[in-house]
Amino acid sequence: DQQVKQNSPSLSVQEGRISILNCDYTNSMFDYFLWYKKYPAEGPTFLISISSIKDKNEDGRFTVFLNKSAKHLSLHIVPSQPGDSAVYFCAAPANAGGTSYGKLTFGQGTILTVHP
Amino acid sequence: KAGVTQTPRYLIKTRGQQVTLSCSPISGHRSVSWYQQTPGQGLQFLFEYFSETQRNKGNFPGRFSGRQFSNSRSEMNVSTLELGDSALYLCASSRPSRPETQYFGPGTRLLVL
Repeated sequence: DQQVKQNSPSLSVQEGRISILNCDYTNSMFDYFLWYKKYPAEGPTFLISISSIKDKNEDGRFTVFLNKSAKHLSLHIVPSQPGDSAVYFCAAPANAGGTSYGKLTFGQGTILTVHP
Repeated sequence: KAGVTQTPRYLIKTRGQQVTLSCSPISGHRSVSWYQQTPGQGLQFLFEYFSETQRNKGNFPGRFSGRQFSNSRSEMNVSTLELGDSALYLCASSRPSRPETQYFGPGTRLLVL
């Protein structure tokens, strides 16, 4: 059961433009979401997170939007840079009821390519 | 502050052997989680340790086990290796005040021949 879904396997964007990465979830108990960036042969790097009490969180060029009614979140990168080319994962702590300690449920990832 | 470290970074084993991977969390972090990443299954949760106790376990066979020491360092062991165990094994740690946010190490790439 894929509780966190990233339906776009890849995204190609021109340098300087906006990159929008999407993520959907099915479990309405999820109340916190994270975005990670991953280069090949490296571990995921934490980028930004959002609590369900907010609908937007911003950190520099990265903004995450959360639409709870649609069970949808998106990561906006503005402006996009070639160094942003990586795989992006959205994730949610599966701690509904406090029984899933330390477990993040990940989407399948989206490969972002930013062309110079 | 040093990040999460994992050793070894690369490992080649043959079927039937066993392997032990090590993880040192960020100083002050007490929770350590382990994940397996494969092209077909993505990032899958293995187990989590806190204060030397396993609090949570994913859907992996009993060949996968782990432990945590009093200094929060953790090890995971895979016995009777199978070809399908070839993967990137990632360790992540989190601090008590913000357990939802995990910080990952660089991973151990395991190849089973």
